[in-house]
Amino acid sequence: SAVISQKPSRDICQRGTSLTIQCQVDSQVTMMFWYRQQPGQSLTLIATANQGSEATYESGFVIDKFPISRPNLTFSTLTVSNMSPEDSSIYLCSVGTSGLSYEQYFGPGTRLTVT
Amino acid sequence: AQKITQTQPGMFVQEKEAVTLDCTYDTSDQSYGLFWYKQPSSGEMIFLIYQGSYDEQNATEGRYSLNFQKARKSANLVISASQLGDSAMYFCAMREGGSNYQLIWGAGTKLIIKP
Repeated sequence: SAVISQKPSRDICQRGTSLTIQCQVDSQVTMMFWYRQQPGQSLTLIATANQGSEATYESGFVIDKFPISRPNLTFSTLTVSNMSPEDSSIYLCSVGTSGLSYEQYFGPGTRLTVT
Repeated sequence: AQKITQTQPGMFVQEKEAVTLDCTYDTSDQSYGLFWYKQPSSGEMIFLIYQGSYDEQNATEGRYSLNFQKARKSANLVISASQLGDSAMYFCAMREGGSNYQLIWGAGTKLIIKP
């Protein structure tokens, strides 16, 4: 299994500012995923981040709003840019390896409140 | 069309009783995987159990079992002898074979165990 840490665990930010969330894994992993979970909702995939390539964004998410870095196989960052109250969510980092049956492990999440 | 349907937004169950959380799925793939995750109020996503489409036996993990009915496209989670600590959101998810290994999530069921 993989142990994932996220920083910060929570933050309260002013609208118009940006926040960078860090995701650190204790082992090398091929795929990293960033999810958003709005209050009372299920998980929505923002993007898939593979090391050495550009992140692949899902419909409704753009790089200018959610730039992602993946400098190596154990680390990634997600930035939430020019925040508005609608960005208030839990942001979850997740990792996995190739194969249909692999578990996808999740970090503890970052609770973001935008005022 | 919804790929993963969880029809129970919320459930109340008496402690020590068994509980079944419903999940139906929709896919035309022959090869796919089904997952259940638990999300306590703290926010982390905890992997519970996995069922592969070709697995002939229902998956079991401790008090968790998955009632897999392939013809009906259902993958219900059964929790035996429920405990107060089982109170959480429960998400059903599916991974299709050709999907870049992304998980498709249901809306979740909020389970509350009553003492």
